Amino acid sequence: ETGVTQTPRHLVMGMTNKKSLKCEQHLGHNAMYWYKQSAKKPLELMFVYSLEERVENNSVPSRFSPECPNSSHLFLHLHTLQPEDSALYLCASSQELAGAYEQYFGPGTRLTVT
Amino acid sequence: GDSVTQMEGPVTLSEEAFLTINCTYTATGYPSLFWYVQYPGEGLQLLLKATKADDKGSNKGFEATYRKETTSFHLEKGSVQVSDSAVYFCALSSGGTSYGKLTFGQGTILTVHP
Repeated sequence: ETGVTQTPRHLVMGMTNKKSLKCEQHLGHNAMYWYKQSAKKPLELMFVYSLEERVENNSVPSRFSPECPNSSHLFLHLHTLQPEDSALYLCASSQELAGAYEQYFGPGTRLTVT
Repeated sequence: GDSVTQMEGPVTLSEEAFLTINCTYTATGYPSLFWYVQYPGEGLQLLLKATKADDKGSNKGFEATYRKETTSFHLEKGSVQVSDSAVYFCALSSGGTSYGKLTFGQGTILTVHP
């Protein structure tokens, strides 16, 4: 595997379910990100992890719970979601180089909440 | 705060036409600027970048020049192909302690007809 991988690629869940999204980066990067991409809205940054520590949480509802057990893996735990949470969830990773970061994205998980 | 404004889409062109997608930004300090492309059903791919004023990023026939005086980073291609049909995102990263956080424009849908 190369780059950034995400599983599953598609997920349908009911509002009372609990599920997790997984992201794995094979690039040796030290920062990872979760984004939400909804139709007709700009990409929204949800969480940032740097060196496995959460450094940013952009007012995301508590029904989304991130976890970063090591620098290569990032999870997004989901519970009691709402239909408006249906979206494409993108994971990205990056490495600081000379003060600049270049983010590499995974293919995303298409989430549908019914 | 930081913001990115892209020209409204969608943009529809014939093959071999000239492409310009306008992007302007507001940021503190000296941001790095990026263009990302998203093909149908996929995540975002970095297309090109520029990290300081007057830098020109280029890749796959696409070019963009970092213009500090006009706070712009317009994307151009001299002759588009059907395979260039995708959504294009302009983005900036302010660096510093932002851990590479990207601020995205709303995206511009490009459709190229044979």
